[in-house]
Amino acid sequence: DAGVIQSPRHEVTEMGQEVTLRCKPISGHNSLFWYRQTMMRGLELLIYFNNNVPIDDSGMPEDRFSAKMPNASFSTLKIQPSEPRDSAVYFCASSFSAGGPQPQHFGDGTRLSIL
Amino acid sequence: AQRVTQPEKLLSVFKGAPVELKCNYSYSGSPELFWYVQYSRQRLQLLLRHISRESIKGFTADLNKGETSFHLKKPFAQEEDSAMYYCALSGASGTYKYIFGTGTRLKVLA
Repeated sequence: DAGVIQSPRHEVTEMGQEVTLRCKPISGHNSLFWYRQTMMRGLELLIYFNNNVPIDDSGMPEDRFSAKMPNASFSTLKIQPSEPRDSAVYFCASSFSAGGPQPQHFGDGTRLSIL
Repeated sequence: AQRVTQPEKLLSVFKGAPVELKCNYSYSGSPELFWYVQYSRQRLQLLLRHISRESIKGFTADLNKGETSFHLKKPFAQEEDSAMYYCALSGASGTYKYIFGTGTRLKVLA
């Protein structure tokens, strides 16, 4: 298994542009998590899905952020319009969640720079 | 409120010295606790979890419910241990999300 796959690895774009980050979880995993990592705030959970359904989006900073999981093998995190303060590393993680918390498996992350 | 505190942003030790990375938590029920490690420009990976009670790469961590702590320890640090370490808490069954601490960067000096 290739693990959790994220694309792109790096994204540089200008303020105001739409940004879409993609994630393919590990096959068979039923929970998917989006995190943002910054120097100041560390690792923050943005949203997580269980069986493709959003369970908790309380970490989504504002309406400019949206996430979807149309099927068990794909999820997107979209920022529209993007702002310089959105610059961070965005991680996707997946796990097989049943009967209690299980270890999460992380992707390599997307390093996002908004100019 | 659920919270994980890692009081040190940076910890520098010399090679061969003991290491203790601190983690304290706040949780009203029975938590499950994890340590994750992130080597330079790599993905986060699970180092160990408290229910396993195992030693990975020489690291151990004991859950102390009285002190609400889950400190990560290693008796003799190695240069390859230099990395970012995150403590994470997960709650009761049915809630699968983690709460991460802000992380501690460990630098092992030659």
